[in-house]
Amino acid sequence: DTGVSQNPRHKITKRGQNVTFRCDPISEHNRLYWYRQTLGQGPEFLTYFQNEAQLEKSRLLSDRFSAERPKGSFSTLEIQRTEQGDSAMYLCASSLGGANLQETQYFGPGTRLLVL
Amino acid sequence: QKEVEQDPGPLSVPEGAIVSLNCTYSNSAFQYFMWYRQYSRKGPELLMYTYSSGNKEDGRFTAQVDKSSKYISLFIRDSQPSDSATYLCAMSAGTGFQKLVFGTGTRLLVSP
Repeated sequence: DTGVSQNPRHKITKRGQNVTFRCDPISEHNRLYWYRQTLGQGPEFLTYFQNEAQLEKSRLLSDRFSAERPKGSFSTLEIQRTEQGDSAMYLCASSLGGANLQETQYFGPGTRLLVL
Repeated sequence: QKEVEQDPGPLSVPEGAIVSLNCTYSNSAFQYFMWYRQYSRKGPELLMYTYSSGNKEDGRFTAQVDKSSKYISLFIRDSQPSDSATYLCAMSAGTGFQKLVFGTGTRLLVSP
């Protein structure tokens, strides 16, 4: 399977615990995005990487959230001191990047987080 | 007010019907318009991608963009039960990286 993969697919945690999610983009894609989707809503942009550089962060990404893409390949999203409001589907997407403005973002299956 | 408005539905149609899904938006900087399909508990899958105004057809799917009215549509001909999913419109200003702004999604139910 050469698509975007995310792990774990599901995570249940207790309030106050830290969680980390992983995203493996399509191999030649240098752009990587994280989105959050709550029930009944569309995905909301969280952050964006061009290779290993994190170039933009949404105001939705509070200080408890941190994302990395250390070698410009896979990315991790960590949430510290989870709150019930963090319960959502966390989606990762990747795109080829480059000069082609008409580029497609390919989404992974998401990690569904439930904070009890 | 949200940047992108989309009726959440659900929209129920019989098999074979023509389906019309719509979004309106407020940001005139949007140039790239997309429709994604999302099955329950899955990630979004790109269906159609349109730049600026006009129509684009792909099989049973037709996307229309009217930038003057800030209105986009997706038509599905000969709808099938397998088309039952949530349809998300998304758009971006498209300069540099593309931060997609999504609608809430319309849930479509096609009954046999």
